[in-house]
Amino acid sequence: DTAVSQTPKYLVTQMGNDKSIKCEQNLGHDTMYWYKQDSKKFLKIMFSYNNKELIINETVPNRFSPKSPDKAHLNLHINSLELGDSAVYFCASSQLLGERYTFGSGTRLTVV
Amino acid sequence: SQQGEEDPQALSIQEGENATMNCSYKTSINNLQWYRQNSGRGLVHLILIRSNEREKHSGRLRVTLDTSKKSSSLLITASRAADTASYFCATDEGVGNEKLTFGTGTRLTIIP
Repeated sequence: DTAVSQTPKYLVTQMGNDKSIKCEQNLGHDTMYWYKQDSKKFLKIMFSYNNKELIINETVPNRFSPKSPDKAHLNLHINSLELGDSAVYFCASSQLLGERYTFGSGTRLTVV
Repeated sequence: SQQGEEDPQALSIQEGENATMNCSYKTSINNLQWYRQNSGRGLVHLILIRSNEREKHSGRLRVTLDTSKKSSSLLITASRAADTASYFCATDEGVGNEKLTFGTGTRLTIIP
């Protein structure tokens, strides 16, 4: 069983479109995260949710809206996609804040 | 801003040799962690060392932490081809700012 699963794995879309990435974890963790990895492999946190409550919003443009329907799911919706949004997006979860993250396999988003 | 910076950016060694990677960071931390990322995959947690610890071992991995110099090192002994990956250090600044901030990564290549 995959501990943290993201869908889709690849996403190619045109500028201006709206898209969603889904994430689910079956580890029973309380905290979930979204990270963005750019072409230079630099990882930057975007959002963090603890028990469905937003606790970190790292100055991400409001075109990005996370939604956590329950503590096992954290989805990412992106409006009006821009070329600069092209990256790999990783979902992660942890039982304790800031410790021992389990990552999903990533979603490679390409905006054309 | 980037919290951690790994050194070297890339390292190639023969199988069986030891590999050492270093990480420097800027702020006070609660813990420091190392992760491995194989090409096209998510990150995998390797080891966590707390700010009051100086050294930790896990199998062929040895991590040291020097909080006075704000630096850490990861030693992989008796390297194997399967160790080929990118290695990232990540720091958690603790209460009120519990999130992992990742470094720039070291690309390790083990030559069979």
